[in-house]
Amino acid sequence: DAGVIQSPRHEVTEMGQEVTLRCKPISGHNSLFWYRQTMMRGLELLIYFNNNVPIDDSGMPEDRFSAKMPNASFSTLKIQPSEPRDSAVYFCASSQESYNSPLHFGNGTRLTVT
Amino acid sequence: DAKTTQPPSMDCAEGRAANLPCNHSTISGNEYVYWYRQIHSQGPQYIIHGLKNNETNEMASLIITEDRKSSTLILPHATLRDTAVYYCIVRGEYGNKLVFGAGTILRVKS
Repeated sequence: DAGVIQSPRHEVTEMGQEVTLRCKPISGHNSLFWYRQTMMRGLELLIYFNNNVPIDDSGMPEDRFSAKMPNASFSTLKIQPSEPRDSAVYFCASSQESYNSPLHFGNGTRLTVT
Repeated sequence: DAKTTQPPSMDCAEGRAANLPCNHSTISGNEYVYWYRQIHSQGPQYIIHGLKNNETNEMASLIITEDRKSSTLILPHATLRDTAVYYCIVRGEYGNKLVFGAGTILRVKS
């Protein structure tokens, strides 16, 4: 079991550039979650999917953020255009579609926007 | 989902049991209690979860009071590597998301 795989591990970009973060969930998991962590705000849920369908995107900060899940084994989180305040660690997690099934997290992508 | 209250920090001596408390007085009947931890710069790590009964696995034990309004995570023999932020989360039946609070910083000292 390879676990949740995120790429890249680190991303440094300039303000105004498009950033795409990628996630491969654990095989067989049908729920996928995107979180953001900063010192000021802690761990925040941005969006989650069940069976590739977005269920709750209330945590997405603004229209510059978008997430897709084209199939069961891949998801992207895109920021366009990026801003310095988007600098954070972004985590992806997956689980079975049940609140009795734990989420398993990836190692995160550390994003720095200069 | 019910909110949780945890102490901001705790210390524990290496080799001793670490007992981390959590209050969740507004928990409803079908909500689970989950515990995660996060070691600096890593993704949150699942530890254990339970509904009503006490649970034990290779990492820890979870003790839930009979009224389910509080719980305790027990690390039986804490090591320096258990130093981390520990999150107690109540997860509801309406949506399977996890909402993280501030957690407890556990420092294990030699």
